[in-house]
Amino acid sequence: GAVVSQHPSWVICKSGTSVKIECRSLDFQATTMFWYRQFPKQSLMLMATSNEGSKATYEQGVEKDKFLINHASLTLSTLTVTSAHPEDSSFYICSAIGDVDTQYFGPGTRLTVL
Amino acid sequence: AQSVSQHNHHVILSEAASLELGCNYSYGGTVNLFWYVQYPGQHLQLLLKYFSGDPLVKGIKGFEAEFIKSKFSFNLRKPSVQWSDTAEYFCAVTRGSGTYKYIFGTGTRLKVLA
Repeated sequence: GAVVSQHPSWVICKSGTSVKIECRSLDFQATTMFWYRQFPKQSLMLMATSNEGSKATYEQGVEKDKFLINHASLTLSTLTVTSAHPEDSSFYICSAIGDVDTQYFGPGTRLTVL
Repeated sequence: AQSVSQHNHHVILSEAASLELGCNYSYGGTVNLFWYVQYPGQHLQLLLKYFSGDPLVKGIKGFEAEFIKSKFSFNLRKPSVQWSDTAEYFCAVTRGSGTYKYIFGTGTRLKVLA
């Protein structure tokens, strides 16, 4: 149980385009999901908290207009990287609250912006 | 600012050696504590967690961790590692119940030599 999927697993795009990443909780409902970035050989950096039916809460320093988050249902949150640039290239990971107070993580999406 | 420290950034062990990875946090109130493992190319998986009760927690794959409140520590242990334990290990902390945001440690990269 408590499986989280992400799609796509990797994406390559041109600078200036937008990319949408989906995060789904497959066997449970999640009112709260999280989006992280993971840089090579580093820990996870929390970008934002995604709440079903309400606006996402962004961490300090994360541009909300660049990283659009939509949590339209109890099993789906999406992260859209708008007008992507090479510095946005990273590994994006989502998680969802499964058991009480426990996050379950998706496999991640590797974004490469050319 | 609250922080989580993992002092061992890289650990190399031979198979059958014992493992102890350190995790210290700086928050003085009630905490929930987690250890996650990230195998190469895979998503983060929950190894074990502590919310309350017996401070010695047993997790999957033969791992255990001990919460020592006086030392603000939650060290991960395994008596005999295997080559398949090669992975990156992350400690995470949340502040009390109902607080879902994790504070992650920087991770410890473990390499087990066959």
